[in-house]
Amino acid sequence: GESVGLHLPTLSVQEGDNSIINCAYSNSASDYFIWYKQESGKGPQFIIDIRSNMDKRQGQRVTVLLNKTVKHLSLQIAATQPGDSAVYFCAENGLGGGADGLTFGKGTHLIIQP
Amino acid sequence: NAGVTQTPKFQVLKTGQSMTLQCAQDMNHEYMSWYRQDPGMGLRLIHYSVGAGITDQGEVPNGYNVSRSTTEDFPLRLLSAAPSQTSVYFCASRLLAGIPPSTDTQYFGPGTRLTVL
Repeated sequence: GESVGLHLPTLSVQEGDNSIINCAYSNSASDYFIWYKQESGKGPQFIIDIRSNMDKRQGQRVTVLLNKTVKHLSLQIAATQPGDSAVYFCAENGLGGGADGLTFGKGTHLIIQP
Repeated sequence: NAGVTQTPKFQVLKTGQSMTLQCAQDMNHEYMSWYRQDPGMGLRLIHYSVGAGITDQGEVPNGYNVSRSTTEDFPLRLLSAAPSQTSVYFCASRLLAGIPPSTDTQYFGPGTRLTVL
């Protein structure tokens, strides 16, 4: 069935290294994808988005890659910092409810080792 | 701007009690929504509203009611709390773009952690 998920529940990286967080989606009709960051005890915060007519989009220290062939989305964080420790999850405008029709993934906990 | 505010931050209820989770935004956003977040699951949409006087159900609406009498406020009511409603609840708001979605303007509140005994 339709789902949005993340490959790893926890990802541990050394401070200063690059991080790659993955997301798989199954709804080929989805044409918009978002990455959120959620720090402990806080609400989700928008990081970056990408539309299906793009393969790559860059922000400040973050890059999102979209591979529509294999229905795969990834978030790359360059030179990770302690403040990057959080749960990251993706969302797609697949068959979810609401005006956005968003479906959210379960999340990956990124841990930054000193 | 305060953004999206939610009260209370924490709440413990007994089964069968009712309560209202408050949500307010001061950004003049048309679109507001309520999600619940459970361990091991993604955010799930409960109810949403595209403007004052207009509400609609999301994916998991049972046991919850909403109303939107003003643009600013979007309270979520639990009519008769059940242990299955133990969760963290997030309110969100954004502008209602003509070409959806424009969720780079979506803001989430800090959440309400609800425990139903």
